[in-house]
Amino acid sequence: KAGVTQTPRYLIKTRGQQVTLSCSPISGHRSVSWYQQTPGQGLQFLFEYFSETQRNKGNFPGRFSGRQFSNSRSEMNVSTLELGDSALYLCASSFGADNTGELFFGEGSRLTVL
Amino acid sequence: GQSLEQPSEVTAVEGAIVQINCTYQTSGFYGLSWYQQHDGGAPTFLSYNALDGLEETGRFSSFLSRSDSYGYLLLQELQMKDSASYFCAVRGGSSASKIIFGSGTRLSIRP
Repeated sequence: KAGVTQTPRYLIKTRGQQVTLSCSPISGHRSVSWYQQTPGQGLQFLFEYFSETQRNKGNFPGRFSGRQFSNSRSEMNVSTLELGDSALYLCASSFGADNTGELFFGEGSRLTVL
Repeated sequence: GQSLEQPSEVTAVEGAIVQINCTYQTSGFYGLSWYQQHDGGAPTFLSYNALDGLEETGRFSSFLSRSDSYGYLLLQELQMKDSASYFCAVRGGSSASKIIFGSGTRLSIRP
């Protein structure tokens, strides 16, 4: 079955612009989590959605937002981009039953802010 | 809040055994996971421990001690392809659905 699909894979923006990233989870998965990964850093938790509801949120400014649609696809948006937002943004899906630590990750969207 | 500590780098020899430790702090704990990430790739799930003890999956084993807030990943019969970053991740805190990752351990294998 198809894995987690993230689009776009690469993008370049300038400071002050905004960006929207998309994530299609594995069919049947209802939970989608987003992480930011920068060189030398772990995966920083952004937020987690389940059945169109944000269940958890990380410690990121309000410029970072997201949503989930009825088909479980998710988008995240970053407004007023800063240089420090350059990172790999990873999306992960799971069934959402909260009984396992297994997440299935997409290849990520690599954002460069100039 | 939640935090995890793991070594930033580990070097080992091909064919040897290596252990990557992880200590965590969390207000609520549901389980500890391990993920592998090769350069340029996506993290992939290796193991999950919700209860104390050792879980074995082929050459990889994972251990958890909830009383010590400690776990480790054991890799045996190391192969060059095991060179990657390894992340521990804790499911817990305010929600069982929130998974927080450590900063990762970069494992380098020498011939």
